[in-house]
Formats: sequence, C-alpha cells, structure tokens
Amino acid sequence: DAKTTQPPSMDCAEGRAANLPCNHSTISGNEYVYWYRQIHSQGPQYIIHGLKNNETNEMASLIITEDRKSSTLILPHATLRDTAVYYCIVRVSFSSGSARQLTFGSGTQLTVLP
Amino acid sequence: GAGVSQSPRYKVAKRGQDVALRCDPISGHVSLFWYQQALGQGPEFLTYFQNEAQLDKSGLPSDRFFAERPEGSVSTLKIQRTQQEDSAVYLCASSLDGVQETQYFGPGTRLLVL
Repeated sequence: DAKTTQPPSMDCAEGRAANLPCNHSTISGNEYVYWYRQIHSQGPQYIIHGLKNNETNEMASLIITEDRKSSTLILPHATLRDTAVYYCIVRVSFSSGSARQLTFGSGTQLTVLP
Repeated sequence: GAGVSQSPRYKVAKRGQDVALRCDPISGHVSLFWYQQALGQGPEFLTYFQNEAQLDKSGLPSDRFFAERPEGSVSTLKIQRTQQEDSAVYLCASSLDGVQETQYFGPGTRLLVL
C-alpha cells in the first residue's frame, strides 16, 4: 500500500468547512483512497473512499486530484462533534482473494473550535 | 442495528497474568480483524480471520499472543504472560466479505499491565 502524508494537526471554526489534505504521491492505479476518523476513546469510523472521481456522502466530500497524488477530505459544516483524528489510507480494494487489513498512519488531529 | 462489541472495555492485569479479550462482530460479517493501538499512535494490524480460518497472523508481536474464532463469529484475543509493553487499546473490526472493504470497528478494550 502506498504511503500517505498528513499534517499532524488542524483547527477549524465551528460551522465552517474543514479541509483535510493528504499526499499519496506513490499511489498505484488500482489503489483507492480511504478516510476514517477516530473520536477520542472510540474505534475508527469509516467516512468515505474513492478511486479517481470526486465522491460525496452524508458525512463528507472527497476531492482527488487529476494525477491522484493528493486528495482532500471536506467536512462542509464542521461541528464540535467532528473533533477527531482523521486517517487517510491508500490501499488496493475489490481485489480477488481475501480482504486485507488497513494500514494507519498518524493521521490529522482536527479540533473544531466554538 | 448492533455494531461490533468488545468486552471488557477496560482490563487491568498484573505483569505475568493471562488475559482474554472478546469481540462480537456484526452478524453475518465474514471478515474479522484485530488491531493494537498504542497511546498517541494509529492502530496496527495484528491478525485477520475469514470465517473461522485465520488467514493472516503476521502482525502478532510474539508467540504470547493468540487469537481464535472457532465458529466463525465471536473471536477471542488471548495474551499470555502479559508484559508492560502490551498495554494498549485492542480494537476489533469486521467487514461483510472479502470484497466489501469497509471495516466497522468496535470501541476497543483498553489493557493496562502493571
């Protein structure tokens, strides 16, 4: 799985959009970008994933650059409950055979300020 | 619906004691993963089951760590002769099958070895 680079911490004002960047310059053509988050004292929670097209769901939007070397997770209207560590993970998906584990980095600590 | 549950939520053990950590995955989920998360770090993979078969145990740190899933549902992670360096949060995750890659995590068991 390709390595990812994220800033260690970010702040965001409540009600504003939170934009979390991730660099994955060595990503391969068959690797997806996944985002999970971990609120304090809880297990990680899946947010969204994508291959090359931008994706949106009820939680967030994922913007992947055309060369796929970086991506941005967007929380459109951050709330205090969005304070968490956000992990960007690159991995092969829908591959044949058995499922594989997730490889977490250090993530970005997002703090939403009132 | 019910998510992944883990018990106990907290465990304090004296060095040298054996401990057993339980994971109840989401009903019908074929794949089950165990991760270890040290303080301030991202989760690290320990082992993976597909049904009752343990397909990957490459992340287990020593032969003191043993995991089983005898009937393909509930799993137990056992640590023998616990050491202080075993202190961590142990997370369990399950996913539907080998193609559906979204993993759903439990709240974790926080183990403290004194």
